[in-house]
Amino acid sequence: DTEVTQTPKHLVMGMTNKKSLKCEQHMGHRAMYWYKQKAKKPPELMFVYSYEKLSINESVPSRFSPECPNSSLLNLHLHALQPEDSALYLCASSQPLAGGTSTDTQYFGPGTRLTVL
Amino acid sequence: AQTVTQSQPEMSVQEAETVTLSCTYDTSESDYYLFWYKQPPSRQMILVIRQEAYKQQNATENRFSVNFQKAAKSFSLKISDSQLGDAAMYFCAYSNLGSARQLTFGSGTQLTVLP
Repeated sequence: DTEVTQTPKHLVMGMTNKKSLKCEQHMGHRAMYWYKQKAKKPPELMFVYSYEKLSINESVPSRFSPECPNSSLLNLHLHALQPEDSALYLCASSQPLAGGTSTDTQYFGPGTRLTVL
Repeated sequence: AQTVTQSQPEMSVQEAETVTLSCTYDTSESDYYLFWYKQPPSRQMILVIRQEAYKQQNATENRFSVNFQKAAKSFSLKISDSQLGDAAMYFCAYSNLGSARQLTFGSGTQLTVLP
């Protein structure tokens, strides 16, 4: 089973709202990722968690706050977003090799379509 | 830094025919992974095929196969017997073997399958 689930599928929020995106996998993967994708463009990496610890933050604005409560769950907390933050947010996971390095194959969830008004 | 180039923004193919999508990359590493991902209008990014750079044999997955030319840094995807369900955006991606494993994506090729 290579399933990564994401909720909600769609989210509309105002610039003053606080909302959260959720990602879950039950493949035993210990690396999880958040990507932002604009229409007709490739995904852009935002954050990487390895063994529940943040290992990469690609200079993402602080209005995006990731959280990894356990090895199967990844959240992205949103606050005071801008209209230009409207995009598809993808979560992915992969299985790290020993020593903390992740393996090659990332499996993606279906994404959350975010619209900021 | 690694770069991945897909020079064909759009391609089309007749149903049941064969199409080849191109991808080139640039890296100074000797060992790495290459991928083709497919993203249909349903949005989910689906792994199509994977190639380890140290393997000389080209990867094959049913109707999908790659032509991996390491010296030329080329990694093309061939889709045989194209089906309507193959219509999607196809992304070529590179991954190094470092501790901070990241995917570098190409800009994508939009494939249309004509009935």
